[in-house]
Amino acid sequence: RKEVEQDPGPFNVPEGATVAFNCTYSNSASQSFFWYRQDCRKEPKLLMSVYSSGNEDGRFTAQLNRASQYISLLIRDSKLSDSATYLCVVNPGGSNYKLTFGKGTLLTVNP
Amino acid sequence: DAMVIQNPRYQVTQFGKPVTLSCSQTLNHNVMYWYQQKSSQAPKLLFHYYDKDFNNEADTPDNFQSRRPNTSFCFLDIRSPGLGDAAMYLCATSTYIRDRGGVNEQYFGPGTRLTVT
Repeated sequence: RKEVEQDPGPFNVPEGATVAFNCTYSNSASQSFFWYRQDCRKEPKLLMSVYSSGNEDGRFTAQLNRASQYISLLIRDSKLSDSATYLCVVNPGGSNYKLTFGKGTLLTVNP
Repeated sequence: DAMVIQNPRYQVTQFGKPVTLSCSQTLNHNVMYWYQQKSSQAPKLLFHYYDKDFNNEADTPDNFQSRRPNTSFCFLDIRSPGLGDAAMYLCATSTYIRDRGGVNEQYFGPGTRLTVT
């Protein structure tokens, strides 16, 4: 199993749709989890941090299932501006200064 | 606003001509990272510093070196750029607090897009 594995995508959805991205991780000791968005030719920007079971910020909801080693990101009422690549990122914990990045899932929201 | 700054934003260099990319941060974070990102790929970690402790990834080519003279600044030196080194180079910072679950979220600079001619 890869360290962090995401839906390969791409996802193409109409404006207003609800879309969910899935991410699995292999290290059961992982401490915390993050979703970043990355626009084309820009840097990744932190969208949401997940330390316990989940987090919600407006139209965005992240859920964590530690038993299944699974994180999801739900976007409700998609906007054109949500078009980006979404990166699932995992903190493996321990004496480790690194985060592990998934390959990302490309989302395109169409008018 | 506290931030991560990278200079230059765009760099064109000739094959084999050394180049230095710089990164500075006002976040006072103790960990700094350099990533290489090519089109449609995830960022690839080159190395990172925890304070002054340098950590090189096993697959980072010797052609890539780094310096961190103080908490705020970090440099990436590419000694002899090849065509395959053309990419976006991202600097990121984070905090590491021992006994509190390791490293926190990373904050990225805007990147330097390197072109090798």
